[in-house]
Amino acid sequence: DQQVKQNSPSLSVQEGRISILNCDYTNSMFDYFLWYKKYPAEGPTFLISISSIKDKNEDGRFTVFLNKSAKHLSLHIVPSQPGDSAVYFCAASAMGTDKLIFGTGTRLQVFP
Amino acid sequence: EPEVTQTPSHQVTQMGQEVILRCVPISNHLYFYWYRQILGQKVEFLVSFYNNEISEKSEIFDDQFSVERPDGSNFTLKIRSTKLEDSAMYFCASTRVGSGGSNEQFFGPGTRLTVL
Repeated sequence: DQQVKQNSPSLSVQEGRISILNCDYTNSMFDYFLWYKKYPAEGPTFLISISSIKDKNEDGRFTVFLNKSAKHLSLHIVPSQPGDSAVYFCAASAMGTDKLIFGTGTRLQVFP
Repeated sequence: EPEVTQTPSHQVTQMGQEVILRCVPISNHLYFYWYRQILGQKVEFLVSFYNNEISEKSEIFDDQFSVERPDGSNFTLKIRSTKLEDSAMYFCASTRVGSGGSNEQFFGPGTRLTVL
């Protein structure tokens, strides 16, 4: 079941630069999308979300973009900081259900 | 800041034994969930719970699993007879609003279950 895909297992970015994490989905019934950040031995921490009626949502250094026609979303972090180093999960839920379907995650490393 | 808590952080058990994983969701949340993550795999949905009953469950959530909200604060996941393949991190989550609204689910730190 690969309804939510994160094709890049890892990403390395210099401090101060932009980090762009990508996510693709296949289920056209998905109407809500979320990004979570996870440190080792901790639970996922909610970062930012977007409804399918929008194409952009911004919260401080984090911006999520949604391209419904391409079934693609991305998370932009700018400027990137060393504390952003973690695994980032994309998740989605469909109309009429609140279960989250997660991607496999992208490990972001921000180096000085 | 309110958070979801889980106990124990690590549970080791023998195959065939029963385990109960405990969670205290955020106090004004109404929807509760269990997810699991087998090592190296993605986080998978197990079950959702609202108004004292299961609202949705996955294929993983078979007759060996059960959930309960025994009082006003705790939310538990019971595995009746554990199997080796039940070894995983189990995450509890909660949210104030379910489907149809903003579905930001807040996760606990997880319980690592090891079945020997």
